[in-house]
Amino acid sequence: QVQVLQSGAEVKKPGSSVKVSCKASGGAFSSFIISWVRQAPGQGLEWMGGTMPMSGATNYAQKFHGRVTITADESRTTSFLDLSSLRSEDTAVYYCSFYSHPFDYWGPGSLVTVSS
Amino acid sequence: EIVLTQSPGTLSLSPGERATLSCRASQSVSRSLVWYQQKHGQAPRLLIYDASHRATGIPARFSGSGSGTDFTLTISSLEPEDFAVYYCQHRDRWPYSFGQGTKLEIK
Repeated sequence: QVQVLQSGAEVKKPGSSVKVSCKASGGAFSSFIISWVRQAPGQGLEWMGGTMPMSGATNYAQKFHGRVTITADESRTTSFLDLSSLRSEDTAVYYCSFYSHPFDYWGPGSLVTVSS
Repeated sequence: EIVLTQSPGTLSLSPGERATLSCRASQSVSRSLVWYQQKHGQAPRLLIYDASHRATGIPARFSGSGSGTDFTLTISSLEPEDFAVYYCQHRDRWPYSFGQGTKLEIK
């Protein structure tokens, strides 16, 4: 069984950056497709981007191009989400998920609050 | 990017009734569609993968169907714990995307 742990809540100023981490234990890290998904208060799920550690391929939703970077460190079985130029609309719970067909493992979410 | 449109936005039903949720894609995603259930304050839970296959531990009252652009999630007889928000997501190719969700509420 794969366990997923995420970094804790963050409060950031507008214009700053945030880095959220997500560690998977108990699975073959390189075989996963890792996605980052966010959910603003009272809103739906929004796919931000993903990476495949085995190939190094990465893709981002058009909305976040230029502001988001997703990386994966196989030695630490950890993925990172970097989001820059933060604005109030980026206040959300940020989730990571690890997918290896047909199994799907989600972290508990990390709350990022952007406020002056 | 592929746009997924879910309907209805809200569905009001009673326990024991049948629920039918729809997800339509702006272009074909073959059978690469999943359904999630999300309860307040929790991460999404995978219900259905590849359009019609139940994930591990998911009760048989949940079923999925469809291919191409039109998909359906059916809950045959609602249990109290089924009242939640349901999302579809395609995994045909990057970028993946979610539908906007259907809220299933108690009538």
